[in-house]
Amino acid sequence: EAGVTQFPSHSVIEKGQTVTLRCDPISGHDNLYWYRRVMGKEIKFLLHFVKESKQDESGMPNNRFLAERTGGTYSTLKVQPAELEDSGVYFCASSQRAYGEQYFGPGTRLTVT
Amino acid sequence: DQQVKQNSPSLSVQEGRISILNCDYTNSMFDYFLWYKKYPAEGPTFLISISSIKDKNEDGRFTVFLNKSAKHLSLHIVPSQPGDSAVYFCAASALSNDYKLSFGAGTTVTVRA
Repeated sequence: EAGVTQFPSHSVIEKGQTVTLRCDPISGHDNLYWYRRVMGKEIKFLLHFVKESKQDESGMPNNRFLAERTGGTYSTLKVQPAELEDSGVYFCASSQRAYGEQYFGPGTRLTVT
Repeated sequence: DQQVKQNSPSLSVQEGRISILNCDYTNSMFDYFLWYKKYPAEGPTFLISISSIKDKNEDGRFTVFLNKSAKHLSLHIVPSQPGDSAVYFCAASALSNDYKLSFGAGTTVTVRA
């Protein structure tokens, strides 16, 4: 069974540009989460999809961030326009049910210069 | 506000000895707790979990203890092996929050040969 995959693994962009991160969850997992780790600090929740619906987006920093999950399969996270403080590692996780462990992807390291 | 805290950023232990990692939380609504292990350039990997109705859960060399009155949990690794060298994250979740994970900042464990 394939794990959670994320693309790209690393992205370097300039301030003001747009970047789109992609996450493919484990097949059959209805729950998909985005998290972010900034400057080696704690991993912070961004949002939670159940199938194609946003269940909770309370962790999204501001309206420069837009997440979608078309058809309840893969998800994208777009940052537009990117700011320096958006740099960090963005993790995606999925799970069959909300209760229990979440399975994480390898992350996308975003560097905004 | 950080609701999950790992006050020890690093831990060094000799191979074969016990590693004890600690975690404190402030939110009394948390009812499910997890430990994740993370190697560099990889995503967090689920290690072990515990429900709030239990005070201990064991899986091979890994044991998690939960003290609800103190809002404290710990992870014991016995015996420690070189492959255990990684960053360990404590995470907590609550039904009231759809089980989104709140993480501590992590503890870097180094197992010395």
